[in-house]
Amino acid sequence: GNSVTQMEGPVTLSEEAFLTINCTYTATGYPSLFWYVQYPGEGLQLLLKATKADDKGSNKGFEATYRKETTSFHLEKGSVQVSDSAVYFCALSGSITGGGNKLTFGTGTQLKVEL
Amino acid sequence: DGGITQSPKYLFRKEGQNVTLSCEQNLNHDAMYWYRQDPGQGLRLIYYSQIVNDFQKGDIAEGYSVSREKKESFPLTVTSAQKNPTAFYLCASSSGAGGGNYNEQFFGPGTRLTVL
Repeated sequence: GNSVTQMEGPVTLSEEAFLTINCTYTATGYPSLFWYVQYPGEGLQLLLKATKADDKGSNKGFEATYRKETTSFHLEKGSVQVSDSAVYFCALSGSITGGGNKLTFGTGTQLKVEL
Repeated sequence: DGGITQSPKYLFRKEGQNVTLSCEQNLNHDAMYWYRQDPGQGLRLIYYSQIVNDFQKGDIAEGYSVSREKKESFPLTVTSAQKNPTAFYLCASSSGAGGGNYNEQFFGPGTRLTVL
């Protein structure tokens, strides 16, 4: 079955530091890949997505490239801010019964950015 | 504004009681989903519905029930048979069952259920 593995947290960085959160996946076929962000006490918000190999998703300074050869979708940001402190989830979308899609999530990586 | 609403935000229940969590969306989405979030485990799919009057079990459906009588609404009942119901519950929706596997899922703000 499908699975997503992402690096464990918590990750603590100083403001303006470079961020990488690793994500690798196992899937049949050609899934779409997503990064979601969750701020404390809230639901998930889509941060970025990529639907095919070599696509780069980007939003708010975050980037991730769909690497089929390494089955990876690492999240990066060149300069983090305190406001980026949140939990980040990597996810893939695969087909389910009836033609819909199901998200399989990683366990989440907590990021804390300090001044 | 279009979006997904979940109520209540916090819910407390005594052991042995059933409780229903509300989820409403005004995005005109066909598909709706319920996930459970536990610390360190990510999100797990409980039930999903791709069209009105139809729903399917997800990975952890035991002890839960759902209904989909209206396109906008997908309530989740946590029954007394659910052995460990204390968790954060998230509802989501997406635009279509037949739209391929790239349809973004939009999430509600969640309901935190605590069993006393």
